[in-house]
Amino acid sequence: RKEVEQDPGPFNVPEGATVAFNCTYSNSASQSFFWYRQDCRKEPKLLMSVYSSGNEDGRFTAQLNRASQYISLLIRDSKLSDSATYLCVVNFNSGGYQKVTFGTGTKLQVIP
Amino acid sequence: DGGITQSPKYLFRKEGQNVTLSCEQNLNHDAMYWYRQDPGQGLRLIYYSQIVNDFQKGDIAEGYSVSREKKESFPLTVTSAQKNPTAFYLCASSIRTSYETQYFGPGTRLLVL
Repeated sequence: RKEVEQDPGPFNVPEGATVAFNCTYSNSASQSFFWYRQDCRKEPKLLMSVYSSGNEDGRFTAQLNRASQYISLLIRDSKLSDSATYLCVVNFNSGGYQKVTFGTGTKLQVIP
Repeated sequence: DGGITQSPKYLFRKEGQNVTLSCEQNLNHDAMYWYRQDPGQGLRLIYYSQIVNDFQKGDIAEGYSVSREKKESFPLTVTSAQKNPTAFYLCASSIRTSYETQYFGPGTRLLVL
């Protein structure tokens, strides 16, 4: 089983739709979680951190489910500008060193 | 402006040649990272450094080397031992650890001739 798994998509959704992505992780000791956005041929940029209590930033909501070992990202009222690849990131401590693992990303295409 | 710079944007390597990718940050971050991204794949960690003069191997360190002589700089050398170097290389930094937000540079695309 991969350490971090994402559905690659693409998710093709109309403008205004609500879309949700999940990201599963295998290490139950994982300690921090993030969602990044990556536009085509560009560097990833932080979208939001994921907290145990869940967090919301405008149209974006991130949640963590430790029992089932997944994080989720919900995008409401999708905009054309939301089209991008969304990467989840999971961190845990391994033998005294940090291990950071990126998912392969989920591609979102918002259609007019 | 604070940020991370990488140079060059595109780099061409001949077979058997070592090349060095530059990464500089003026964010006063302690931790720096190098990742490789292949088409349709996620980022894979090559090396990371949490403090000057110290660095650890990531998941795919073979064929690469790094140095961290200054806090601001974390150059990556792609050696001739790396048999499949064509990829998008991304440098990142965070305040202290990878548990925090990482800020990425614009990346360097390396192509083998």
